Parts: sequence; structure tokens; C-alpha cells
Amino acid sequence: EIVLTQSPGTLSLSPGDRATLSCRASQSFSSGYIAWYQQKPGQAPRLLISGASSRATGVPDRFSGSGSGTDFTLTISRLEPEDFAVYYCHQYGSSPPWTFGQGTKVEIK
Amino acid sequence: QLQLQESGPGLVKPSETLSLTCTVSGVSINSGTYYWGWIRQPPGKGPEWIGSIYYTGKTDYNPSLKSRVTISLDTSTNQFSLKLTSVTAADTAVYYCAKRSFGRRPYDSWGQGTLVTVSS
Repeated sequence: EIVLTQSPGTLSLSPGDRATLSCRASQSFSSGYIAWYQQKPGQAPRLLISGASSRATGVPDRFSGSGSGTDFTLTISRLEPEDFAVYYCHQYGSSPPWTFGQGTKVEIK
Repeated sequence: QLQLQESGPGLVKPSETLSLTCTVSGVSINSGTYYWGWIRQPPGKGPEWIGSIYYTGKTDYNPSLKSRVTISLDTSTNQFSLKLTSVTAADTAVYYCAKRSFGRRPYDSWGQGTLVTVSS
């Protein structure tokens, strides 16, 4: 099973700041099969990024994904008030089980 | 527009079986275009993939749960279901049904989720 470790656990930032979230895999797997989700309280996760860097339909271009091998990054270029949420990475590149990280909370400083 | 909706008991006693149904609207679960899955999220933790099913009936399960999980399709009602046997408090979570497209794709549509608490 591939374990995904996200860092930091919490990111305290202000609107307009740049957010950089990290996701590290315990082993390399089929390149690019990483997704990022945003989750707000009481809601289901919302897909932001697939294939490590492709934005889902309707996702603003301030969200971008990058990385390869075992290290992946989600960047939010300028935080908007609605971006304060928990973010999860998800790998779907290996054989089952597909796994999720434990999350990074982006909170208002 | 494709929508998924979970339903089932919100409280299950320890050692009993958790049973949930996902009603799909907007597309036939027989279409062959999608995989249908279950994902759960314990309070304050990250999601955990439980398993998935294809319209052919082919299933994949998380090895950590495989001995206790069954996912099935009911094409007559456009629903798919989850059964998890011998539950304990560790199975308390929000349970989501979700779909992903055929091929190597992430889950891109999720139901709203339903909280299932295991307690006597």
C-alpha cells in the first residue's frame, strides 16, 4: 500500500498569500496519477486536480499542481476567502488500494 | 446531471452489519463508462477507499477490509450497495458513494455522505 504523507498539517495564511502544500508518497508509482481535493466542513471532497497537474472543470487557475516520482505539490497562487479549507492528495496509480493523504488544513491567520 | 445519494441507517450496533445504498441519477450504472465506489472518512481523518464495482460486476476491495466488505449492483433500481460485516467503533465514519470514469481516473463525483455511528 502506498502511504501519502502531507505537510504541513496546518497552514496559517492571510487572503492574498501564496499557499504551497506538499504530498509525499512512500514509494514511486505510475507517474502522474495524483489528484488533489478540497473539502469544506460538512461537504464531500471536491476534485481540483488530476493527473498531478490538470485542473478539473470549473477550478480557478489560481490552483496548480506539480510534481513527479514521490513528491507532489498543490499551489494556490493567491488565497481567496473561499479557499480556506482542508486539502487532500490521492493516488490512483498503483494497484488497489488507492489511498489518500491525511490532509492539510489551510486556515486564516 | 449525474447525482449520487447515500441512504441507510445512521446507527449500527457493534458486531452487526452496516448496509448502505447509493442511488444514482442522471446516468445508467450499466453504461460501462464509470466505476462506482465507496469511500469513508472517520471524524477528523482523511478519506479511506473501501472498494468499487464495474457494471460487469467486477469488484475491487481494500485489502484491509476485504474479508468484511461486499459491494453489489442493482441495475433495476440504478443503485449500488455496500455491506460491511462485524462492525466495531472503528468503522464509525461518514460514508460516501462516488464515481470515477473508466480507465485510470480519480473519483470526480461524490454523494453528500452519510454518517454511520457504531454504538450499542
